[in-house]
Amino acid sequence: LAKTTQPISMDSYEGQEVNITCSHNNIATNDYITWYQQFPSQGPRFIIQGYKTKVTNEVASLFIPADRKSSTLSLPRVSLSDTAVYYCLVGEAGGYNKLIFGAGTRLAVHP
Amino acid sequence: NAGVTQTPKFQVLKTGQSMTLQCAQDMNHNSMYWYRQDPGMGLRLIYYSASEGTTDKGEVPNGYNVSRLNKREFSLRLESAAPSQTSVYFCATGAETQYFGPGTRLLVL
Repeated sequence: LAKTTQPISMDSYEGQEVNITCSHNNIATNDYITWYQQFPSQGPRFIIQGYKTKVTNEVASLFIPADRKSSTLSLPRVSLSDTAVYYCLVGEAGGYNKLIFGAGTRLAVHP
Repeated sequence: NAGVTQTPKFQVLKTGQSMTLQCAQDMNHNSMYWYRQDPGMGLRLIYYSASEGTTDKGEVPNGYNVSRLNKREFSLRLESAAPSQTSVYFCATGAETQYFGPGTRLLVL
């Protein structure tokens, strides 16, 4: 499984766009990229997943360049409730997945 | 549709005691997982079950055993609890996307 590297922490203010970049230099051809969000005292929650190019859903966008060695999670117009830890993971398509969680990125949104 | 449920929510054990953490899912997934999360760290995989009837070790299996009772249920057992097993335990289910339970907070004194 490809190892990921992401910033330890980030700070932002309400209403700003936040971009969190994750590096996964050893990503394999069949691997996809998934981002999870975790609030204190809760389990991680799926945010978005992609294989290449750009994916958008109601809460975030995921940008993946052609070489797929990195990806960027974009959170538009963050609010205080977006304060959480964000994990970038790389997993193989199909079947079960032994995910490797890093320490994640602690995002603090300030008023 | 409860998704993934875990019991108990919180447990205090003395060193050497045993206990079983229960996990159940109603999402009809084949794969289930047990993770532990220590303060300030990411999750680490303890054991997983790719399908009913199969289990395999993850990154940190020592001190734990698991049972995949049926497609819905996957339990984690601590035979002789140690203070180093104080942690939050999460059960998850799914394949490309994993869905996590609310966690069990375990304190071993």
